[in-house]
Amino acid sequence: EDQVTQSPEALRLQEGESSSLNCSYTVSGLRGLFWYRQDPGKGPEFLFTLYSAGEEKEKERLKATLTKKESFLHITAPKPEDSATYLCAVGTYNTDKLIFGTGTRLQVFP
Amino acid sequence: NAGVTQTPKFQVLKTGQSMTLQCAQDMNHEYMSWYRQDPGMGLRLIHYSVGAGITDQGEVPNGYNVSRSTTEDFPLRLLSAAPSQTSVYFCASSYSLRINTDTQYFGPGTRLTVL
Repeated sequence: EDQVTQSPEALRLQEGESSSLNCSYTVSGLRGLFWYRQDPGKGPEFLFTLYSAGEEKEKERLKATLTKKESFLHITAPKPEDSATYLCAVGTYNTDKLIFGTGTRLQVFP
Repeated sequence: NAGVTQTPKFQVLKTGQSMTLQCAQDMNHEYMSWYRQDPGMGLRLIHYSVGAGITDQGEVPNGYNVSRSTTEDFPLRLLSAAPSQTSVYFCASSYSLRINTDTQYFGPGTRLTVL
């Protein structure tokens, strides 16, 4: 069964303290891996799409990487405004729907 | 562009009542979908549409109906609300039908409580 697991469930960081969020997947054929940011009371906002192992994408303090089994969202020198829940989703060859993880809730304190 | 819009933002229903959650997009996207988000669970697909007049069931379709009469609008109907349908509902749209590779854009959500 296709599955997406995100860890940790919650992460508390001091402002400037870099860290990584993990999205591991077991699927029969990866077509695309998506990262979204979700603020409280709002809809998910698109960040990145990765298609193949070794691919990397960056946006401001965020960098997403992809291997054959997992993706990392690296946050460099985070600021309080980076506090949000980060969602990972996978599209596969077997199905025409996305499989979402349960998210990592990030809190960055000044 | 307003993007994906949803109304209402909040709704409280009694068990057995019916209602329609509205969703509209102004990006001329072919693909539209409805998800529900519950604590501790990932977003789950309820119904989706690949164009006007075409709809299909997702992962958790029971208790929900949809229709797509125009490209822009994709309403979700609850025929007889149950407490298990208490959730946050998101509408999403995508330019192409290849949703396993192309970006979906989400609306702001409707928070529904069924008493």
